[in-house]
Amino acid sequence: EVQLVQSGAEVKKPGESLKISCKGSGYSFTSYWIGWVRQMPGKGLEWMGIIYPGDSDTRYSPSFQGQVTISADKSISTAYLQWSSLKASDTAMYYCARHSMVQGYDAFDIWGQGTMVTVSS
Amino acid sequence: SSELTQDPAVSVALGQTVRITCQGDSLRSYYASWYQQKPGQAPVLVIYGKNNRPSGIPDRFSGSSSGNTASLTITGAQAEDEADYYCNSRDSSGNLLAVFGGGTQLTVL
Repeated sequence: EVQLVQSGAEVKKPGESLKISCKGSGYSFTSYWIGWVRQMPGKGLEWMGIIYPGDSDTRYSPSFQGQVTISADKSISTAYLQWSSLKASDTAMYYCARHSMVQGYDAFDIWGQGTMVTVSS
Repeated sequence: SSELTQDPAVSVALGQTVRITCQGDSLRSYYASWYQQKPGQAPVLVIYGKNNRPSGIPDRFSGSSSGNTASLTITGAQAEDEADYYCNSRDSSGNLLAVFGGGTQLTVL
């Protein structure tokens, strides 16, 4: 079964660091882009960035450039999203999603279950 | 431009047909993909490309595109279709990281 499994919920204090993960299985992890999406409470979906685990080519949305770091370890089929200093405004659900070209069309066809990050003093 | 605009909310009577739209300049060059999100769940791909459904998505879901507007149509809406729907596409430069539409909350009456 093709799936992305994310790490569990986190509760952190402002200023702390955090790294959450997204592990792919059932497919060639190095052959597909993996994107990260933020969903703040009661709000819509926002792209944060995307990485190609095959060569670690990484792109960031302007809104998130410099705010987070996206990485991947292809040896363990895992992508990461990390913060060096969390803020209360980082409180959100974070999803990873696999990008596929299906019949030549873009599709984010597999999604992780989400990781809830709560930042509170 | 990488902005995609959706109506915030739409309602449909049970068994009737509803169209959810997404507007943006990039849609003149690229097809939208559509995602369904139910409360407390991750998004699910329902339509991609010209009009393609992933395995397991009912055939009452269909997609179309004209000019700068992409549409998701549900023919014979069911109670379980009540959800938020988001469109997504590349931006006009071909960047994968185009913004999502703001989402449309579908209510089935």
